[in-house]
Order: sequence, then structure tokens, then C-alpha cells
Amino acid sequence: SQQGEEDPQALSIQEGENATMNCSYKTSINNLQWYRQNSGRGLVHLILIRSNEREKHSGRLRVTLDTSKKSSSLLITASRAADTASYFCATVFNNDMRFGAGTRLTVKP
Amino acid sequence: ETGVTQTPRHLVMGMTNKKSLKCEQHLGHNAMYWYKQSAKKPLELMFVYNFKEQTENNSVPSRFSPECPNSSHLFLHLHTLQPEDSALYLCASSQGSGGSYNEQFFGPGTRLTVL
Repeated sequence: SQQGEEDPQALSIQEGENATMNCSYKTSINNLQWYRQNSGRGLVHLILIRSNEREKHSGRLRVTLDTSKKSSSLLITASRAADTASYFCATVFNNDMRFGAGTRLTVKP
Repeated sequence: ETGVTQTPRHLVMGMTNKKSLKCEQHLGHNAMYWYKQSAKKPLELMFVYNFKEQTENNSVPSRFSPECPNSSHLFLHLHTLQPEDSALYLCASSQGSGGSYNEQFFGPGTRLTVL
């Protein structure tokens, strides 16, 4: 399916460590987006990476895209307790946008 | 604040009730969306409106009825719901839909419980 699948489902790290989350998908995409969601709240857009791009940065966030492997990764460097949230990838192809089930990240102080 | 507001934030209703969820965006976007988020399941796209016209209905049961009177407001009318409809209902907006989706801005959601 086009829908992205995040890996791992849950990740627990100490403050200051880096967190890496992966997203795999099975079909073509126009772009791939990463979102963050604090518990019981709406999603917040983090980064959009287009299919012809390989890497993008935003502050402590780094996203890579490998279309040959149909995968993307989100790296959060020097994590903080406030980064605790669920992270979702969303794959976009033509008129269709699909979210994965998310990775639950816990950053311990 | 993302510029997208939703009311009410919490709603408890019986299976025979009729209620409505409201979403308003203050961003000048032309596309609005309803999503359903259930525990441990991917976010499910329910409806898409572009310039007030419904462009997607992802096989949503007729007990959910959307309404988009203008590009800034979106409603979800609910009637004779089932307990399995209990979920977080999220509204989102974006500048343009179709082709390749741009960034979507989400509201805080309505936590719905059906008894």
C-alpha cells in the first residue's frame, strides 16, 4: 500500500541522545511529510521532502529520503524531554495522502 | 496555535443523539479535511473539501455527514453513531489539494465518546 509504516512503534531514550525513526512505503510518492503529535492534540507539520530531494534539515531535525528503497528517516539530534510525542510520516501521491501508525518517542530527563 | 480551531473539544453522546462538530480555519486556505484517529490505528482520512466542494469521501458511513458552507468553516454532523465511532476527530486545512498535498495545519481535535 502507499501508506507509510513507521519503525519502531515505540522508542525511549535519554535527554541529549539522538532519536531516529524510519518510515517505509510501497508505492510511488510525490512527497513525504513528517508530523508530530502531542498526546490527544492535533498534528504539527515538521518537514516536507519532495521525491527528487534526498535530505532536508530544520533545526535539530534531519530527514532523509531514499526512493530506491522506498524509505525515509527522521533524526532528532540532542533530544529534549519536550520532544516526547508521537511522530508520523505521511506519503503523498497525486490526490492521496496517507499517514502511518506512528512512532511513540519518550525522552527521559 | 495553528490557526485551526475545533469545537467542542470533548463530546459525549448517546447512540440516538444528533450532534455536530465544528472546525474553523483562519489561514485563508482553500482545502479542509476531516480525519478520524482511533487508538493504535493510522489516521483515517474521511472527507476532503476543496473550494467548498467535496472532492473525497473515503467510504465513510452515512451516519457521518459533512458540510462546508464556505472555505473557512467545516462541520461534521453526527447521528445514530456506534460505540466504535469513539475517537479523536481532527480537522485540517491546507493551501491547495490535489496534485501534491502541501503542508496541512491541524486543529486540536474533538475527543468523541459514544455511549
